[in-house]
Order: sequence, then C-alpha cells, then structure tokens
Amino acid sequence: DIQVTQSPSSLSASVGERVTITCRGSQSKFLNWYQHKSGKAPKLLIYGASNLQSGVPSRFSGSASGTEFTLTISSLQPEDFATYYCQQSHSTPPTFGQGTRLDMK
Amino acid sequence: EVQLVESGGGLIQPGGSLRLSCAASGFTVSTNYMNWFRQAPGKGLEWVSVIYPSGRTYYSDSVKGRFTISRDNSENTLYLQMSSLRPEDTAVYYCARDVTSSLVFDLWGRGTLVTVSS
Repeated sequence: DIQVTQSPSSLSASVGERVTITCRGSQSKFLNWYQHKSGKAPKLLIYGASNLQSGVPSRFSGSASGTEFTLTISSLQPEDFATYYCQQSHSTPPTFGQGTRLDMK
Repeated sequence: EVQLVESGGGLIQPGGSLRLSCAASGFTVSTNYMNWFRQAPGKGLEWVSVIYPSGRTYYSDSVKGRFTISRDNSENTLYLQMSSLRPEDTAVYYCARDVTSSLVFDLWGRGTLVTVSS
C-alpha cells in the first residue's frame, strides 16, 4: 500500500488568513483533497492534485511539486474550520493522510 | 437531490454479524464504482471494499473473508454484510461513489457507527 504523509496534524488560524497543508507520498498527479466536518459527509475539494471540484469555492486550490502536494485556502472563512485529508489515487487500495484539523485561533 | 444515506450501524458483540445499507438517490448505484470506507476512533480513513458496475468485488486484507459487499439494483442500495466482527472493526462506516474507477470519490454519505464490544 502507498503510504501518504500529511502535515501538520493540527493548525490554528484566523478568518481571513492564508493556510497551507502538505501531503507527500503519491506519484504524479494522483492526489485528492477532502474536507470533513464532524457528523457530515466528507466533501471532495480537489482532484488530480490541482483540479477544483464543481461547486467548491475558488479560495481552495491545490498544487504539486514532485511528490509534494499542497492544499491552500487563500482566505479562511468561518465555514472552512474542519478536518482535511489528502488521498492518493495512484493505486488500489486508495490511502489517506492522517488528516489536518483546522480550528479557529 | 444526489445523496447517499447509510444505516444499520449499532452495538454488536464480538463474533456477531451486522448488515449496513447505503441508500442512493439522484443517481444509479449499479452504473458506478461503489465503495465502503471506515474511520476508527482517533484514526484516519481506511478503504474497505468496492463493487464494480460489472459486479466484481474487492476487499481490504483486514476484512477479506468476513465482509461482503453487494447491491440491490431495484432498491438502488449498496450493502455491506459484516460477520465475525472484532473490536478493531469499531468505526464509522461510510459509503462513497467513484464514477470512473479513478479512485476519486465525489460523493459520500454521513456514515453509520458500528461498535463491536461485549
């Protein structure tokens, strides 16, 4: 199984701040990002490293440099406080990072 | 509305069986790659099983031989039959859709909690 390493595990930030979360371990563009709020369904944000899922606000973006992938939220909104996961889609089984819990500073 | 709704979770003793359901609306289960995932307390997301439009099925090593994924096309519902349950199977179980077998999961349910304990 492909191991995916995500950092940081937790992050405190304020509304309006720019936030970045990093993931390592996938190959090429096969990396996706999800947002998960407790008790809710996980939500696909970014697929193929940098493609914004339909309906997701443009403040979310993804990028890749080699095997390092980054999710950026350009200006945090109150509804963005949640846990974020990366997931590799290069091979079965799909595997996830351990998650980044983003909470309000 | 396009959505997935899981049900069937609960408290079950070790060695017991349970069947989870995932009711789909707004799209057809049988034409998609439908998956089950789980998240144990304090842990990350773990893939459990997939059923292809062809009916082919695959399982993680941790549940192979104990869990069975299936679907009812007339009910547009996905199932996960779990048997020989162990305490380490305790988790929230989610169903999710993969439209093109790209391992990109664009629709998830809210999950159902399974607790295996005596």
